Amino acid sequence: AQKITQTQPGMFVQEKEAVTLDCTYDTSDPSYGLFWYKQPSSGEMIFLIYQGSYDQQNATEGRYSLNFQKARKSANLVISASQLGDSAMYFCAMRDSNSNSGYALNFGKGTSLLVTP
Amino acid sequence: DTAVSQTPKYLVTQMGNDKSIKCEQNLGHDTMYWYKQDSKKFLKIMFSYNNKELIINETVPNRFSPKSPDKAHLNLHINSLELGDSAVYFCASSQQLGTDTQYFGPGTRLTVL
Repeated sequence: AQKITQTQPGMFVQEKEAVTLDCTYDTSDPSYGLFWYKQPSSGEMIFLIYQGSYDQQNATEGRYSLNFQKARKSANLVISASQLGDSAMYFCAMRDSNSNSGYALNFGKGTSLLVTP
Repeated sequence: DTAVSQTPKYLVTQMGNDKSIKCEQNLGHDTMYWYKQDSKKFLKIMFSYNNKELIINETVPNRFSPKSPDKAHLNLHINSLELGDSAVYFCASSQQLGTDTQYFGPGTRLTVL
């Protein structure tokens, strides 16, 4: 079974600094997809970035980048130049490769990020 | 031009009642999902629905039933509500089953008294 682990329940970062949110995963499937979502205090789930297991390069989307280390089974999210609006809960997720699950997303427990002035 | 919408945003009801949450996506996606987020913020899949095929997480009680009147809608019906059903319910959609990013609705906070 697939498993996603986020070991940092909470993180602080100062505005304009970079921050790394950790995510490790466990799967025996050769093909998988990894996602990061942001959940601000307003509650919605916002898609940030995607990394496919066969992608040669690390994914980037604006200030978000994914540090994908396949051998270590880690997919850390890096947020550069943090802004106050980045304060939120961040979830790492892996798409289940089992069709019996409907290819659902398996989520980690999340990391709460607080950006301070 | 909301991509995935849910109504209502908040739902407060008594134990034993039957309620529904509506979900609509205007992205033209083929697949829709329902997730439950518990009080500890943990998200778990409840249902996946693609091309009239429903895939159910075996841990979901049969009091929960999704119904899809058309490809753009997947509503969640809950019978005989229990205190433990209190949670935030998210609808999501993706272009195809198994290959694409899932986009989430704003969530519905259900409180059972």
